[in-house]
Amino acid sequence: DAMVIQNPRYQVTQFGKPVTLSCSQTLNHNVMYWYQQKSSQAPKLLFHYYDKDFNNEADTPDNFQSRRPNTSFCFLDIRSPGLGDAAMYLCATSRGAGEGYTFGSGTRLTVV
Amino acid sequence: GESVGLHLPTLSVQEGDNSIINCAYSNSASDYFIWYKQESGKGPQFIIDIRSNMDKRQGQRVTVLLNKTVKHLSLQIAATQPGDSAVYFCAENILPGGGYNKLIFGAGTRLAVHP
Repeated sequence: DAMVIQNPRYQVTQFGKPVTLSCSQTLNHNVMYWYQQKSSQAPKLLFHYYDKDFNNEADTPDNFQSRRPNTSFCFLDIRSPGLGDAAMYLCATSRGAGEGYTFGSGTRLTVV
Repeated sequence: GESVGLHLPTLSVQEGDNSIINCAYSNSASDYFIWYKQESGKGPQFIIDIRSNMDKRQGQRVTVLLNKTVKHLSLQIAATQPGDSAVYFCAENILPGGGYNKLIFGAGTRLAVHP
């Protein structure tokens, strides 16, 4: 019955080694978002896709990239993870303007 | 700039008491506010929302109050239970244009329910 699925739940990566997190949805929502949530902080929007249109937040580092090959899937690529990138990464979907979000359970990333 | 903030970082209550979590926002252009509950290791879970043409909305054991005059939002939980222990975030929904909405989250309040 899961609607927004994130894999894996926990990811350990080495400093500087590229890593990809994945998100899939069964809701057929137009918009998919990636948020970064550091310990004891609020989620912070990194970027989103409206259909195939990519929108980056102004303060999102270039180290973070995203791909959306189809409606159902969206990936977060971290090209060279640093220790400061350790966080929970949350994927969310929405039908569009004025609609609420559905969040996945998140992927907790550890950088060693 | 845009900001949504909370007055209290932690709140401890006795089981059965009522809880009130507060939130201040600064973006008067938003017309939609949402409260989320986040348990440890999980994603945010929708609790209740309210649009700016309302000042109160009730759900099961939860009530959200919106005071647009002072830009204040609160979440009331009746008869708080141990399962309510979590971090609660208010979020302001804004429409930057382009057909999507953007959530700005407050800092979060940790609710601890004691037996």
